[in-house]
Amino acid sequence: GIQVEQSPPDLILQEGANSTLRCNFSDSVNNLQWFHQNPWGQLINLFYIPSGTKQNGRLSATTVATERYSLLYISSSQTTDSGVYFCAVDPYSSASKIIFGSGTRLSIRP
Amino acid sequence: DADVTQTPRNRITKTGKRIMLECSQTKGHDRMYWYRQDPGLGLRLIYYSFDVKDINKGEISDGYSVSRQAQAKFSLSLESAIPNQTALYFCATSTSGGPTEQFFGPGTRLTVL
Repeated sequence: GIQVEQSPPDLILQEGANSTLRCNFSDSVNNLQWFHQNPWGQLINLFYIPSGTKQNGRLSATTVATERYSLLYISSSQTTDSGVYFCAVDPYSSASKIIFGSGTRLSIRP
Repeated sequence: DADVTQTPRNRITKTGKRIMLECSQTKGHDRMYWYRQDPGLGLRLIYYSFDVKDINKGEISDGYSVSRQAQAKFSLSLESAIPNQTALYFCATSTSGGPTEQFFGPGTRLTVL
């Protein structure tokens, strides 16, 4: 089956820093989503981005489907950005059964 | 009000007990899903349903069963709970008609002693 790899696994930054999180996938996909899991365990939808670039405030994401990767950019980090960031892909072969990566744990220090 | 709700939010039970987790949605979506998350890992699919009469096994369905009582309700049962089913359980929904965005409930934290 498709492999979804996220890097780095852990990232510690000072408040105000910028970061780039990466998601690589091993096969063609119908779509890709980015989620933020906050310290209380809730999953928050960040982006639905099968291809191209989207921006939402300090966050933006780019998916290059032909090269099988996606990037999540966080600018001017805040402590509330802490948590785990997951990408999840919907492979062409799976009919909407999305596959999650193992996540990047982001810790923002005040 | 939340679009996807899960009850209970936390549950502690004992080995061998039957337990049901419930999910309701007001988004009007046809498709519903149950996932589990183990510490330090991503989510894995347990069961999914594309409509009331269509239920399918996911990656890790052994030890679980589901019921789709209505378009808006999808329940997950553990017939005889065991400690390695201790996990965070999520329900999700999406529209039908091809690949679409999935939306998640707040999760149920289940502990099996």
